[in-house]
Amino acid sequence: QVQLQESGPGLVKASETLSLTCTVSGVSIHDYYWNWVRQTPGKGLESIGYIHHSGTSNYNPSLRSRVTISLDTSKSQVSLKLTSVTAADTAVYYCAKNSAYNVADSFDVWGQGTMVAVSS
Amino acid sequence: SYELTQPPSVSVAPGQTATLTCGGSNIGIKSVHWYQQRPGQAPVLVVYDDSDRPSGIPERFSGSNSGHTATLTISRVEAGDEAHYYCHVWDTVGVVFGGGTKLTVL
Repeated sequence: QVQLQESGPGLVKASETLSLTCTVSGVSIHDYYWNWVRQTPGKGLESIGYIHHSGTSNYNPSLRSRVTISLDTSKSQVSLKLTSVTAADTAVYYCAKNSAYNVADSFDVWGQGTMVAVSS
Repeated sequence: SYELTQPPSVSVAPGQTATLTCGGSNIGIKSVHWYQQRPGQAPVLVVYDDSDRPSGIPERFSGSNSGHTATLTISRVEAGDEAHYYCHVWDTVGVVFGGGTKLTVL
């Protein structure tokens, strides 16, 4: 059974860096695209970006200057770093797995999400 | 950038059919995926590649995609179907989600 578990601080100070980790179990991290998606309170889903072990990555243009997504294959983890955070970055952050091997595939497995609040 | 448009809300009586739309420029040439999200929970895939259902998703959920509109149809709506529904495509700029539709079961 494939499982994704997000972890990281629930509170980050404004202007600092948000760092989250998604630990993958039940499947090889080499085989799929891995995504980060966030959801601000009461709002819809927003893609942050994705990565593949081949080196392919893509970031939301609105966040590109502040985002880095990386893989640690030895730990089977996907990491997210978001710099210079503001209150607008307060959200639930999800990691999600592509269902197959194409970047356009659906997300068939999601983590439970982790809430991150930005304090002033 | 590519945009997906979903009506903010749809209401339907139990036992009736709910039709949720997702509009986008020539969306018919893209693969559209749909997610259900209940309050406080992570999204769940209910339809992928326009019209396929993951295992465990009832046959009441179906999808279609043509022209500028993709559609998620929920037949014989039940109280448990009340949730937000999001459409998703991949575009050259990356992953795109619609704004979501709140399905209310009257």
